[in-house]
Amino acid sequence: EVQLVESGGELLQPGGSLRLSCTASGFTFSTYWMHWVRQAPGKGLVWVSRINEDGSVTSYADSVKGRFTISRDNAENTLYLQMNSLRAEDTAVYYCAKDLSGRQDNWGQGTLVTVSS
Amino acid sequence: DIVMTQSPLSLSVTPGEPASISCRSSQSLLQSSGYTRFDWYLQKPGQSPQLLIYLGFNRASGVPDRFSGSGSGTDFTLKIDRVEAEDVGVYYCMQALEPPYTFGQGTRLEIK
Repeated sequence: EVQLVESGGELLQPGGSLRLSCTASGFTFSTYWMHWVRQAPGKGLVWVSRINEDGSVTSYADSVKGRFTISRDNAENTLYLQMNSLRAEDTAVYYCAKDLSGRQDNWGQGTLVTVSS
Repeated sequence: DIVMTQSPLSLSVTPGEPASISCRSSQSLLQSSGYTRFDWYLQKPGQSPQLLIYLGFNRASGVPDRFSGSGSGTDFTLKIDRVEAEDVGVYYCMQALEPPYTFGQGTRLEIK
């Protein structure tokens, strides 16, 4: 059974940094693209970033480009999202999702990031 | 960026009755491979999103056959033949043709 477990979310002040993790199990992590998707409280889904199997190809939403960095450790079956220069508008539940030919076929339960002074 | 526009944004349906949600993209989602990079997701209350329909019309594993997807190019439809209580939640369309991937605003389905 595919499992994705996000962690690392917390309350922090504007301008701060945070690294989210997503630990994968139940599939061969190193052979799949992975995504981060976020959802602000009471709002819709917003795609954030994706990374290919070996970490050599990444893409970002314009709203996070230059501030967020996606990466992965295939030996540890873990996906990361390094978030710098955080803003109030980055407050959201962050989901990691497994990619299958572009679609996100498995999602984690999410981790809440709150940016507030 | 490709803009995804859903309608309606909310609907209230009597159990056993059909429901339909539309989604329009600002450009064609037909890839040179012949695949249409368009998916539907459902987020049930208090849960993570789940994949419903992929590549326009394929049901994801475990999705009941009362759900169907249709459309091509820029216009797509999700139909539920007979709505059940467990179908409540927010339905999102998404384009996976090119990054940044983009979602529609979401359509909230409630039961009358």
